[in-house]
Amino acid sequence: DQQVKQNSPSLSVQEGRISILNCDYTNSMFDYFLWYKKYPAEGPTFLISISSIKDKNEDGRFTVFLNKSAKHLSLHIVPSQPGDSAVYFCAAGGIFGNEKLTFGTGTRLTIIP
Amino acid sequence: DAGVTQSPTHLIKTRGQQVTLRCSPISGHKSVSWYQQVLGQGPQFIFQYYEKEERGRGNFPDRFSARQFPNYSSELNVNALLLGDSALYLCASSLGRPFTDTQYFGPGTRLTVL
Repeated sequence: DQQVKQNSPSLSVQEGRISILNCDYTNSMFDYFLWYKKYPAEGPTFLISISSIKDKNEDGRFTVFLNKSAKHLSLHIVPSQPGDSAVYFCAAGGIFGNEKLTFGTGTRLTIIP
Repeated sequence: DAGVTQSPTHLIKTRGQQVTLRCSPISGHKSVSWYQQVLGQGPQFIFQYYEKEERGRGNFPDRFSARQFPNYSSELNVNALLLGDSALYLCASSLGRPFTDTQYFGPGTRLTVL
């Protein structure tokens, strides 16, 4: 049962344009969401997070939007740069008494120069 | 400051053997979590330790065990290895509880079971 879904395995975007990565979740108990970026042979690197009390969080070129009614979040990268090419994972968590992050399957973003 | 370190980097074992993976958290971090990442999937939660106590366990068999030491480093043990245990094992540390503090991941240990 995939509680966090990233339905696009891959995405290609022209350099300088906006990259939009999407994530859906099914468990309404999730109240904290994160995006991680992963390069080959490295561990995931934290990018940005959002708690369920907000609907938007910004950090430089990265903005995360949360739509709780739709159980959907998205990561916007503007402008996209070649160094943004990586696999992006959406993750979610909540205080269930068993603290853990549940990850999506990832989206491979390729920025085309 | 050093990030999360894991050892070994790569490991090859045969079915039925036992393996121990090690993780050193960022200095000052008291929480360590372990994840398994199979090719093409996202990381799957195995264990979380905070202040040397187990605080969470994922849906993994009892062949998987872990512990956290007084210096907050951690070991993950897997007994009776199966082919399906081949994966990247990731360790993450955070200052406190995972949802109040960001988790930082190490580079992982690539385990291959033949």
